[in-house]
Amino acid sequence: VQLQESGPGLVKPSETLSLTCTVSGGSISSSYWSWIRQPPGKGLEWIGYIYYSGNTNYNPSLKSRVTISVDTSKNQFSLKLSSVTAADTAVYYCARGQRGGDYWGQGTLVTVSS
Amino acid sequence: QSVLTQPPSVSAAPGQKVTISCSGSSSNIGNNYVSWYQQVPGTAPKLLIYENNKRPSGIPDRFSGSKSGTSATLGITGLQTGDEADYYCGTWDSSLSSGGGVFGGGTKLTVL
Repeated sequence: VQLQESGPGLVKPSETLSLTCTVSGGSISSSYWSWIRQPPGKGLEWIGYIYYSGNTNYNPSLKSRVTISVDTSKNQFSLKLSSVTAADTAVYYCARGQRGGDYWGQGTLVTVSS
Repeated sequence: QSVLTQPPSVSAAPGQKVTISCSGSSSNIGNNYVSWYQQVPGTAPKLLIYENNKRPSGIPDRFSGSKSGTSATLGITGLQTGDEADYYCGTWDSSLSSGGGVFGGGTKLTVL
């Protein structure tokens, strides 16, 4: 199983960050899938997860701004984070499991700056 | 401020043993499985231990995990220079209605 994040590396303040994770080598329709981020030089922060059926669970501190969705036909799941600020600058990882797990993407750096 | 508490750094000589602690509460470690991850700077975290003490295929038995009450411990024996990395514990926190994933702040391992 391989995961690959894709999306813009630069987002303006107050706009929406959008990332997609493409799963290959296995079906997305068999597990939970999560997003985790890591600000530069800091630790890991759980963003949320989605089950292939569409059930979601989000970090309470981000819940008002986060949407995670799944497209089983494309074997992809996506993250949207609205009203971003500089504090949302981080490497964003997608992973299999509810809070990370055995397979992770390589991560993608998203910088919030005008 | 992370929900789970880890020492910022640990160090030991090659061939020695080191332990990394992860302290939490009854709402997280006390009632949920703990995972451990190894992260070499610039790369994604790698799962070392899941369900407190199980190793995924390919992880050498030099790595071990244990849990007691509201704390968990990662042990690494026969230290190698390649073990230099940041190590994170993670678990589920049931303190909120729907729960959520939580991680420790990370521990930097230096192999002297």
